[in-house]
Amino acid sequence: QQQVKQSPQSLIVQKGGISIINCAYENTAFDYFPWYQQFPGKGPALLIAIRPDVSEKKEGRFTISFNKSAKQFSLHIMDSQPGDSATYFCAASWGGAQKLVFGQGTRLTINP
Amino acid sequence: DTEVTQTPKHLVMGMTNKKSLKCEQHMGHRAMYWYKQKAKKPPELMFVYSYEKLSINESVPSRFSPECPNSSLLNLHLHALQPEDSALYLCASSQQTGLYQPQHFGDGTRLSIL
Repeated sequence: QQQVKQSPQSLIVQKGGISIINCAYENTAFDYFPWYQQFPGKGPALLIAIRPDVSEKKEGRFTISFNKSAKQFSLHIMDSQPGDSATYFCAASWGGAQKLVFGQGTRLTINP
Repeated sequence: DTEVTQTPKHLVMGMTNKKSLKCEQHMGHRAMYWYKQKAKKPPELMFVYSYEKLSINESVPSRFSPECPNSSLLNLHLHALQPEDSALYLCASSQQTGLYQPQHFGDGTRLSIL
């Protein structure tokens, strides 16, 4: 119940295309859903986060869509660029808990 | 550049050595975290400090010993490590351990055990 399932494991998108990464969870107590971006040799960097009282949040080219009834959330990267090539992790936490439960990660490659 | 600074960036040690990893943040954050990340895997939480007190230990072996001397500094003391402990060790901090506080990560220390 504590798991967050992330798909796909790897994704290749052409430059200018839309990259979509999906996550699903079981624990309905989760109430905070951040996405992290990690480049090789670097630590994860917070990209965007959402709470379940909104269905969508957009920051620049990055959008989180949240479906509370389906217990799913997804990251959309519009106009994908080669510089977006990285590993993306979804995560979830609950009730101010200090624990982040991470998805298994998606390695995104944007071809020029 | 991240605002959480970890040193050293790389560390190679033998199984009988004693070494320490260091993490600093000057954002006024009161919660600090240690994570372990193996290749192609997500970070795994090891320890959480809240207001300089240990609040979570995820059943980490005693060969890892955390220390929080003050609100800006977090150490991880290593002793008698095993080859399977080779990994990227990440430090993170958050403003406090309240609701919706994002965690900010450092770039980690890559540890290799010979």
